[in-house]
Amino acid sequence: SQKIEQNSEALNIQEGKTATLTCNYTNYSPAYLQWYRQDPGRGPVFLLLIRENEKEKRKERLKVTFDTTLKQSLFHITASQPADSATYLCARTDSWGKFQFGAGTQVVVTP
Amino acid sequence: EAGVAQSPRYKIIEKRQSVAFWCNPISGHATLYWYQQILGQGPKLLIQFQNNGVVDDSQLPKDRFSAERLKGVDSTLKIQPAKLEDSAVYLCASTPGSRTGEQYFGPGTRLTVT
Repeated sequence: SQKIEQNSEALNIQEGKTATLTCNYTNYSPAYLQWYRQDPGRGPVFLLLIRENEKEKRKERLKVTFDTTLKQSLFHITASQPADSATYLCARTDSWGKFQFGAGTQVVVTP
Repeated sequence: EAGVAQSPRYKIIEKRQSVAFWCNPISGHATLYWYQQILGQGPKLLIQFQNNGVVDDSQLPKDRFSAERLKGVDSTLKIQPAKLEDSAVYLCASTPGSRTGEQYFGPGTRLTVT
């Protein structure tokens, strides 16, 4: 079965630094990888989507990469701020629409 | 544009009781998802609808869970009878068109089974 794995340990980072999160998947490459942010008591909020044939996507201070050789996506938050503290979820989508989330990685940005 | 609506926000029931959750997706969104999120875990897909047809219910415990999406708009998810391990947040999400696009989530229903 397909697996999608994220680092379960919380990432503690100082304000202004770059946070880098990892998402690894097994077996065949998904058509898309998506990244979501989830705050306590709320539903996930979509951040970025990257397609299988794309290497990199950017949105403001966010950057995501997709490496089909390593079967990995990296998610970067540059110039991190305390407001970026949340859990970040990676999700794979297959070409026929099957969706699967990772367990998420908590990011804590301290002033 | 109104977001995905869910109700109730919180529910506490005893084991073996039944419970129902309601979801109203964003207007015009054809695809609707129900997820179960246990504390500390990512959302787990229970069922996916395309309009009023089921696309994927492979992880739905069909002996106790059921879901419907009449008329391709609102949806209800029911648990009968509930078990302690059903305690979780139940999230509803919808997508504008493509089944592979970004999902818009509701606030979720937190269920506690005692």
